[in-house]
Amino acid sequence: DQQVKQNSPSLSVQEGRISILNCDYTNSMFDYFLWYKKYPAEGPTFLISISSIKDKNEDGRFTVFLNKSAKHLSLHIVPSQPGDSAVYFCAASDRYSGNTPLVFGKGTRLSVIA
Amino acid sequence: DTEVTQTPKHLVMGMTNKKSLKCEQHMGHRAMYWYKQKAKKPPELMFVYSYEKLSINESVPSRFSPECPNSSLLNLHLHALQPEDSALYLCASSQAGGAETQYFGPGTRLLVL
Repeated sequence: DQQVKQNSPSLSVQEGRISILNCDYTNSMFDYFLWYKKYPAEGPTFLISISSIKDKNEDGRFTVFLNKSAKHLSLHIVPSQPGDSAVYFCAASDRYSGNTPLVFGKGTRLSVIA
Repeated sequence: DTEVTQTPKHLVMGMTNKKSLKCEQHMGHRAMYWYKQKAKKPPELMFVYSYEKLSINESVPSRFSPECPNSSLLNLHLHALQPEDSALYLCASSQAGGAETQYFGPGTRLLVL
């Protein structure tokens, strides 16, 4: 059973426009959410995170929004740049149940077209 | 500094070989992880070490043997692997082994012939 779902396997956006990547989760115990960016044959790079006590976190061009009632989060990239082209993984965790590791979604491949 | 290093970058081995993957971090993190990633799939957790003790083994076959010599180092010993074990092997670390932010290394691309 997939607890973290990224239903769009791919997304194409023009350079300069907004990229919106979506993620849904089913486990209501999740209280910490992260986005990672991954280039081919490299390790994932941590981008941004959000705790369940917040509904928005911003870092430069990246903003993550959390809607707890809908069990949905999204990553906004504004403006999108060609170097943003990568696979983006959403991950979630329940920080209060001990050594529970991160649960990853299957990823969304973002292509930013110049 | 959020650097996790892994060696080697690439590894080709036969099914009868024994090899080891190495991972190192100097962030003072007390939890380290091994993941396996196949193409177009998310990272799949294999092992978690917390305070140098194995805390999670996700039913990984015994041909993969992890070792944590100290809090900065993590090894993965490989023996009698199968071609289907070919994948990108990722190491990660985090502060204490709870579900906080993990920082990943660049990975070792393994090919088993």
